[in-house]
Formats: sequence, structure tokens, C-alpha cells
Amino acid sequence: EVVLVESGGGVAKPGKTLRLSCAASGFKFDDYAMHWVRQAPGKGLEWVSSINWIGDKTVYADSVKGRFTVSRDNLKNSLHLQITSLRSEDTALYFCVKDWGGSVTAASVFDFWGQGTLVSVSS
Amino acid sequence: SFVLTQPPSVSVAPGKTATITCEADNIGGQTVHWYQQRPGQAPVLVIYYDTDRPSGIPERFSGSNSVNAATLTISRVEVEDEADYYCQVWNANNNHRIFGGGTKLTVL
Repeated sequence: EVVLVESGGGVAKPGKTLRLSCAASGFKFDDYAMHWVRQAPGKGLEWVSSINWIGDKTVYADSVKGRFTVSRDNLKNSLHLQITSLRSEDTALYFCVKDWGGSVTAASVFDFWGQGTLVSVSS
Repeated sequence: SFVLTQPPSVSVAPGKTATITCEADNIGGQTVHWYQQRPGQAPVLVIYYDTDRPSGIPERFSGSNSVNAATLTISRVEVEDEADYYCQVWNANNNHRIFGGGTKLTVL
């Protein structure tokens, strides 16, 4: 059974840094691309970032490029998202999502989702 | 940029058919995926590559894609189908993933 468990969310002040993590189990983690998708309170889904199976190719939404860094540790079956210079508009539930393939330069199918970790940015 | 347009809401009576559209210029040239998000839960994949159903998704769910609109059809709607539905594509120009704005399905 595929299980994705996010952590690291919380309340943070504008301008600060947060590091989100996702612990993966139930599948061969280093075969698959992974993604972060966020959802602001009461709003729709917004794709944030993707990383390929080996971790040498990343893609970012324009809204976060330069502030967010996605990484993975295939030895520890974990995915991470570092968020710097936090803004109020970063307030959202952040989902860790598995792709059914290994590449980020091909169509993605988000086949399994975690339950999310909530980030709240407030002064 | 590529924009996917969905109706904000669709209402249907139990047992009837719900149709949710996802519009964009030449979306027929894309592969479209659909996700269901029940209140308070994570999204679940219900249709991938325009028409395919993952295992465990009822046959009542079907998809199609043509020219400027992709469609998610839910036949014999049940109360448990009440949820938000999102379409999604991949933009080959920049490798970005794009979601539609979502459609809230209400079962009357």
C-alpha cells in the first residue's frame, strides 16, 4: 500500500523559512517522480514543484520559482520542500504527490496523494 | 499561459448523469486527468489519459476529450459522488502541470 506522510508545516512569520518533508512507503521510491501541490483555504489545487526519479531535474511554478527548493533522498525514501521568504499567499495545505512515471519532462499522472501538511504564514 | 476553465458548480439529482467540462483551446491535443476531492480529504485520481479508470474507481465514471473541451461524466450519480472535481494537464512547453479551477458537484 502506498503511503505518503507529510510533516513540517506550522505557523511562521513572513520572511522566514520552512522545510516540509514527505515520508514515502509501499512502493519503490527511486523509480518515480514526485510533486508538491498546494491548496489555499477554500481554494483550488495549485501545482507547485516536481522532481524526477533521480533528483537531477526539477520544475517550479512561476509563483514560487526562486523561493522554493524541492529535493529528495532516495536512500531515506523522503521528499522535501524548502520554502524561503515566506509570504501570506503561501498559506495553504501542501500535498506530497506520487507520479506514475519517473520523468518530469513528460505528462504526469498524480496517482497517490498524502493528506497534506498545513502552512500558515502570519505576523 | 495555458488556462483550464471549469464550471464552478454542477448540480444533479441522485440516479441522474452529471457532466463536468474542462475547456481550453486545443485541449483535444492534450492528455487530461481528473481528480475527485471529497470534503476534508486528499484528492483521488478518477480518470487518467482522457478515458482510463484506475482500479477501484466505479465504471460510472468516464471521460472524453475532443477539440476544445474534455468531459468527465458520472452516470447514475450517488450521494457519495458529491465532491470537488479537478481536471489537469501537462504543459509540454515548460513542463508545468496545470489544474482547472475545480467544479463543485452537488447531489440534490
